[in-house]
Amino acid sequence: GAVVSQHPSRVICKSGTSVKIECRSLDFQATTMFWYRQFPKQSLMLMATSNEGSKATYEQGVEKDKFLINHASLTLSTLTVTSAHPEDSSFYICSARDAARLGAYGYTFGSGTRLTVV
Amino acid sequence: AQTVTQSQPEMSVQEAETVTLSCTYDTSENNYYLFWYKQPPSRQMILVIRQEAYKQQNATENRFSVNFQKAAKSFSLKISDSQLGDTAMYFCAFMKPTFGNEKLTFGTGTRLTIIP
Repeated sequence: GAVVSQHPSRVICKSGTSVKIECRSLDFQATTMFWYRQFPKQSLMLMATSNEGSKATYEQGVEKDKFLINHASLTLSTLTVTSAHPEDSSFYICSARDAARLGAYGYTFGSGTRLTVV
Repeated sequence: AQTVTQSQPEMSVQEAETVTLSCTYDTSENNYYLFWYKQPPSRQMILVIRQEAYKQQNATENRFSVNFQKAAKSFSLKISDSQLGDTAMYFCAFMKPTFGNEKLTFGTGTRLTIIP
């Protein structure tokens, strides 16, 4: 089945530094990738939608200069948290949309990244 | 904008029993898709079942089935013969097919605990 590899699974960084999270579709082409943020015991909140080769579409309230998303190829999207602060600590999950599977099919989630900013 | 509501923050049931998780949604769309996702302690999102709105027949996947009531905008999940491995957060999700932006809108989730 479709697999999405997300790395790193855990990362600790110092305040003010940047951290990059990778999301890679291993056996399918992902024309669209979604980035979610999940606070403890809460739901997934969509941060942005990225389509290969174009700029990401950010949800209202998400700072595009802080959460940089790059979707340079059909198999790789990255989320970079710039100038990280402790309030950015959260669980980040990516989801890739399989271009070959339409309609109700074709969403595959990564295993998530737990970011802790100290 | 679409909204998804799960009114049961937590539920628990004895192993082997049947449990039903509720979900309601609000939309003006006629064509859409509904999903139930499971998130176990590993945090990996796992698709449990999906339903196309244009299909009147309720979807089933082994022990999992849904009761889709389009007019009432209700989409409940029934888990039969519950197992310890069913312990997880369950999220109901809505998707409107829009080319290039088929995002999922999630409910707040229900934490299900299966008691041995």
